[in-house]
Amino acid sequence: GAVVSQHPSWVICKSGTSVKIECRSLDFQATTMFWYRQFPKQSLMLMATSNEGSKATYEQGVEKDKFLINHASLTLSTLTVTSAHPEDSSFYICSAQKTGTAQETQYFGPGTRLLVL
Amino acid sequence: QKEVEQDPGPLSVPEGAIVSLNCTYSNSAFQYFMWYRQYSRKGPELLMYTYSSGNKEDGRFTAQVDKSSKYISLFIRDSQPSDSATYLCAMSGNQFYFGTGTSLTVIP
Repeated sequence: GAVVSQHPSWVICKSGTSVKIECRSLDFQATTMFWYRQFPKQSLMLMATSNEGSKATYEQGVEKDKFLINHASLTLSTLTVTSAHPEDSSFYICSAQKTGTAQETQYFGPGTRLLVL
Repeated sequence: QKEVEQDPGPLSVPEGAIVSLNCTYSNSAFQYFMWYRQYSRKGPELLMYTYSSGNKEDGRFTAQVDKSSKYISLFIRDSQPSDSATYLCAMSGNQFYFGTGTSLTVIP
C-alpha cells in the first residue's frame, strides 16, 4: 500500500496564531511531498513542492514566509501557517511521491480543514 | 489556454449506468495520465494511471488515453451509488497538472 496521513484532520484557531500541519508517509519513503489548498467545489491548487533536506519550491503567488514548509525526513513534511487570518481558512491536502518513482505516483493524505476565526 | 480542461458537471446518472468522464489537454509532452476520486471532505485517491497511449482496465473502471487527440477518458461500468464523488484527471511530464474535477452522483 501507500498510505499518507495528515494531522490534525481539522483545526480551529484564532486570528493571528500559527498552525502546524503534519504530513506523513506511513509505509514508504517520500523524497518529495506536495502541499495543496482546495476551496469548496474547486480543484486542487498546488502551493509548494517540498523536497527532503532542501528548501521548498513555492508556486507563484504563495508567500513562503506565510506558509513555512519543512521536510526534515523521508516520511515527514510539515506546513506551518503563520499568523493565520480568516482568509487562510481552507482545506489543506498533502501528497507524497514514492522515492525512486516518477511523478505519476502521488498519494494523497486525507486533508486538514482549517478554520480561522 | 489551460493545460488541462475538464467539464465540472455535475453529472447525475441512474445506478447501473455506464459513466464516461473526459479531459482534454494541450501539452503534447505529457506522458503520465491519472484519474483520482475524491469524496467530500477527503483527500483524492488514486484510481488509475496510464503511461502514454492505450487502455487500462481495473474492475469496473477503464482508462483510455488518446495522445493524438490529446484526450483521456475514464469509463465506469455498472455504476454504484458509492461511485458518487468528484473525479479529477491529472497528467504530468515535468510537472503535474490537475483538471478541475467532475462531480458525479449515481442515483439508486
